[in-house]
Amino acid sequence: AQSVTQLGSHVSVSEGALVLLRCNYSSSVPPYLFWYVQYPNQGLQLLLKYTSAATLVKGINGFEAEFKKSETSFHLTKPSAHMSDAAEYFCAVSRGSYIPTFGRGTSLIVHP
Amino acid sequence: NAGVTQTPKFQVLKTGQSMTLQCAQDMNHNSMYWYRQDPGMGLRLIYYSASEGTTDKGEVPNGYNVSRLNKREFSLRLESAAPSQTSVYFCASSEATGVVYEQYFGPGTRLTVT
Repeated sequence: AQSVTQLGSHVSVSEGALVLLRCNYSSSVPPYLFWYVQYPNQGLQLLLKYTSAATLVKGINGFEAEFKKSETSFHLTKPSAHMSDAAEYFCAVSRGSYIPTFGRGTSLIVHP
Repeated sequence: NAGVTQTPKFQVLKTGQSMTLQCAQDMNHNSMYWYRQDPGMGLRLIYYSASEGTTDKGEVPNGYNVSRLNKREFSLRLESAAPSQTSVYFCASSEATGVVYEQYFGPGTRLTVT
């Protein structure tokens, strides 16, 4: 079975600070990994995905994530937070089945 | 391109009432999904449809039924609503079965059962 753990239900940063949202996965075969973002009162939209090509994946809005097999991690980072980044972020894993398993989400709070 | 659309956006039901949530996609995707989102629980899969004419249960199917009306439309029905079904419901679609593609989500239906 596959599973995803997002460490920290809430992460708070100051505007301009580094954003780091953590995701660890469990999968018996090489996984496909995704980060989605959900802005208030909206549906989810894809930020980026890892599908066994480059281990460093760049997404929209300046976000990127690095696949580390040895650590079973796929953490999401952004060098400088903006107020508009405040949202809920979900990590998801898929391993051959086309149906991903989602983490419980991390709420990113950005302070001025 | 509207993407994935859902109706209604908001709904309040009394316990025991029934309703159908509608979902449509205009991206010619084969697969469609229904999720519910509850605080601290992430997204949980209710039902999915790999292709037109097929449906399968997900993680939390009890109390729900679905219909894949055609390739575009996938509806979710609550036959006898319960307060435990108060949630935000999302419909999603993706490109193909057995191949990894990202999902596209609708804006959600916020349902309250009193």
